[in-house]
Amino acid sequence: QQQVKQSPQSLIVQKGGISIINCAYENTAFDYFPWYQQFPGKGPALLIAIRPDVSEKKEGRFTISFNKSAKQFSLHIMDSQPGDSATYFCAASKGGGADGLTFGKGTHLIIQP
Amino acid sequence: EADIYQTPRYLVIGTGKKITLECSQTMGHDKMYWYQQDPGMELHLIHYSYGVNSTEKGDLSSESTVSRIRTEHFPLTLESARPSHTSQYLCASSESLGAAGGGYTFGSGTRLTVV
Repeated sequence: QQQVKQSPQSLIVQKGGISIINCAYENTAFDYFPWYQQFPGKGPALLIAIRPDVSEKKEGRFTISFNKSAKQFSLHIMDSQPGDSATYFCAASKGGGADGLTFGKGTHLIIQP
Repeated sequence: EADIYQTPRYLVIGTGKKITLECSQTMGHDKMYWYQQDPGMELHLIHYSYGVNSTEKGDLSSESTVSRIRTEHFPLTLESARPSHTSQYLCASSESLGAAGGGYTFGSGTRLTVV
């Protein structure tokens, strides 16, 4: 049973456009929702994270929108750039993440110049 | 500079060999984790540790074992490597998470190929 479902699997966006990646979770005990960015040959790097007491968090061009009642959260990348081309993973955890993160299957994002 | 180091980066080894993947962090983090990831695919938690002398199995069953004798060191061992163990192994650490939360810092991974 996959606890964090991520879509789409792959995404192509034109430079300057908005990239949107969606995730849904099942476990209502989850209380920490980070997004990770991974380039080929590298480990994932934390991009932005949110807790369920807020509905939106913005850091630069990256925004997380969180809908607690629908158990969904999404990543929006504004003004997408070719350097944003990477694999993005959403994740979730309970207890502040001490027991490990549960990851989505990832989205391969390509920004076309 | 605080970081997390994994060695080796790449390893090709024959079936039946014993291997140890090294992971060290300089951040003084209590919690450390091992994830298994096929290239470009999702990450699966195989082991984690709350601190020295603490080890727990993750969601994905693994024939590997881990130890945590020192805070900064969390090696993973396979007693007898098999082709099914071919994958990328990622080590991560995190500080104790409180109300402020905290992110995981990942190493660059070890890509293991068992032939």
